[in-house]
Amino acid sequence: KNEVEQSPQNLTAQEGEFITINCSYSVGISALHWLQQHPGGGIVSLFMLSSGKKKHGRLIATINIQEKHSSLHITASHPRDSAVYICAAYGQNFVFGPGTRLSVLP
Amino acid sequence: DTEVTQTPKHLVMGMTNKKSLKCEQHMGHRAMYWYKQKAKKPPELMFVYSYEKLSINESVPSRFSPECPNSSLLNLHLHALQPEDSALYLCASSQTLNTDSNQPQHFGDGTRLSIL
Repeated sequence: KNEVEQSPQNLTAQEGEFITINCSYSVGISALHWLQQHPGGGIVSLFMLSSGKKKHGRLIATINIQEKHSSLHITASHPRDSAVYICAAYGQNFVFGPGTRLSVLP
Repeated sequence: DTEVTQTPKHLVMGMTNKKSLKCEQHMGHRAMYWYKQKAKKPPELMFVYSYEKLSINESVPSRFSPECPNSSLLNLHLHALQPEDSALYLCASSQTLNTDSNQPQHFGDGTRLSIL
């Protein structure tokens, strides 16, 4: 069974800081999904990647298949980035990480 | 605005009630998912439908009964629920089943369910 871990669990940053959230998994996967969940509950898909790097606005996601590791970076963080960030590993089944709770202070 | 619509947004029911949660998408997606999410925990997969057929049932108690009447609709019928079933119930869809191809899932805003 795939185990998915995220670090840190909680993160508080000042507006403008560069943020990195890490995700690691234990068995091979076909793709990794980064999701954002705001306090209201709705989940937004940020990236789905199986290799390399993807960028959208201030968000960058990378994955290293050999090391079974992915990172989500947020440049020039803003209070509206405050949310829970979840990585989900897609392989034989879907396994969600525990989430990283990010608070960006003005 | 989400492309996956869930109704109702909130539901309060007693343990003897029967109610249904509804999920609708018009993106032509052929895989649809139900998740349960407790506070401060990640979503847990409950059911997956692929081409209107139940593909995955993650050992969910029979008091939860899914139904996929057509490719755009997914229901979750609830009966004799327990207080511990109070949670956020999320629906998602993807073009095809994720184990077949790398299709991102699109999530609804969820139904917040409280069992009295």
